[in-house]
Amino acid sequence: AQSVTQLGSHVSVSEGALVLLRCNYSSSVPPYLFWHVQYPNQGLQLLLKYTTGATLVKGINGFEAEFKKSETSFHLTKPSAHMSDAAEYFCAVSTLQGAQKLVFGQGTRLTINP
Amino acid sequence: DTGVSQNPRHKITKRGQNVTFRCDPISEHNRLYWYRQTLGQGPEFLTYFQNEAQLEKSRLLSDRFSAERPKGSFSTLEIQRTEQGDSAMYLCASSFPGADEQYFGPGTRLTVT
Repeated sequence: AQSVTQLGSHVSVSEGALVLLRCNYSSSVPPYLFWHVQYPNQGLQLLLKYTTGATLVKGINGFEAEFKKSETSFHLTKPSAHMSDAAEYFCAVSTLQGAQKLVFGQGTRLTINP
Repeated sequence: DTGVSQNPRHKITKRGQNVTFRCDPISEHNRLYWYRQTLGQGPEFLTYFQNEAQLEKSRLLSDRFSAERPKGSFSTLEIQRTEQGDSAMYLCASSFPGADEQYFGPGTRLTVT
């Protein structure tokens, strides 16, 4: 079975400050890891993904994440927050096997202060 | 092609009524997924299809829920005898088998009064 834990249901940062959203996962097989963003009343948009290869992955809108197997983590960062980054962020895990369904964390609401 | 579409976007119904939602995936995708998202939570897997075959169902999918994908293209999700606990956002996603990315629709928000 797979699971995801996102530490912090709400994160607030100032515009221009570093954004760090934490995600830890559990998986008995090599994981595929994802970060999605959700704006109010909308579906999910993929920010970035890790499948194999380079452990530091870059995504859209200046976000990046690093897969650390030893720490079972996949934290999301952005060097400088922008007001438009305010949204809900979801970390998810899946595998190449079977249904390849996504198992999501509970989400982190990011607020950007002017 | 503009991506995954879902209709309606919003549905308000009274407890005990039946509702049906539709999802149109990206045309060349043969996998289709349904997820449910309650307020303040991440999406939870409900079921998925490969072509017209429903291959897995979550225990969250009680016998009041039924999903179909009759021709391997669009899918419908029906909830019978709705309950207030069914109030949620219902998300649809599609992909190729073996692909590592699912493309999500905008969702259908259900409110049961």
